[in-house]
Amino acid sequence: QSALTQPRSVSGSPGQSVTISCTGTSSDVGGYNYVSWYQQHPGKAPKLMIYDVSKRPSGVPDRFSGSKSGNTASLTISGLQAEDEADYYCCSYAGSYTLFGGGTKLTVL
Amino acid sequence: EVQLVESGGGLVQPGGSLRLSCAASGFTFSSYWMSWVRQAPGKGLEWVANIKQDGSEKYYVDSVKGRFTISRDNAKNSLYLQMNSLRAEDTAVYYCARPGRPGAVAGYFDYWGQGTLVTVSS
Repeated sequence: QSALTQPRSVSGSPGQSVTISCTGTSSDVGGYNYVSWYQQHPGKAPKLMIYDVSKRPSGVPDRFSGSKSGNTASLTISGLQAEDEADYYCCSYAGSYTLFGGGTKLTVL
Repeated sequence: EVQLVESGGGLVQPGGSLRLSCAASGFTFSSYWMSWVRQAPGKGLEWVANIKQDGSEKYYVDSVKGRFTISRDNAKNSLYLQMNSLRAEDTAVYYCARPGRPGAVAGYFDYWGQGTLVTVSS
């Protein structure tokens, strides 16, 4: 039950695009199309941004997109805005349990 | 409107016990697996446990197996987490979370509670 691997931090300027990676194994990320991404602002509960690898819940801007290749999933945020500055967590089903990534702090410069 | 409201957190000494509750409303609670997810101060999210709709299946992260017990009362629309033999490393905000698909264990969490803080310290 090892956590998924994410970069500790990424940054970008307003209007730019950033991509956050999430690396697991064939037993989790690579084995199921059940990768989700969460945005968390300080002191707040996580918010679902992407589910089933690439689906967006209603209300989430289409600037947020997800993909997966092999054991690595990715979250891309295009047209960065100041309010996107937050922590982002990937999550994958892994059979009888669920794994989260260690989290990535996104800084909007 | 879906709501998940946790309660029961607080300060407890190492080796002590605590029972968390999550009151659910706005959806058919008995149709969903339910989970507990925690977040230590300044750290990332960690899935803790989940329980099937009828309570017949339960799964735990290795670090809490044998110490924590997840349960539910569908008549009261409530989820619980009994935490025994608490350790300093169990200090965290504990969230109740609902998966996005009824009847499915896999996938994602579309609703989260506001969390309840558990502090294990002498």
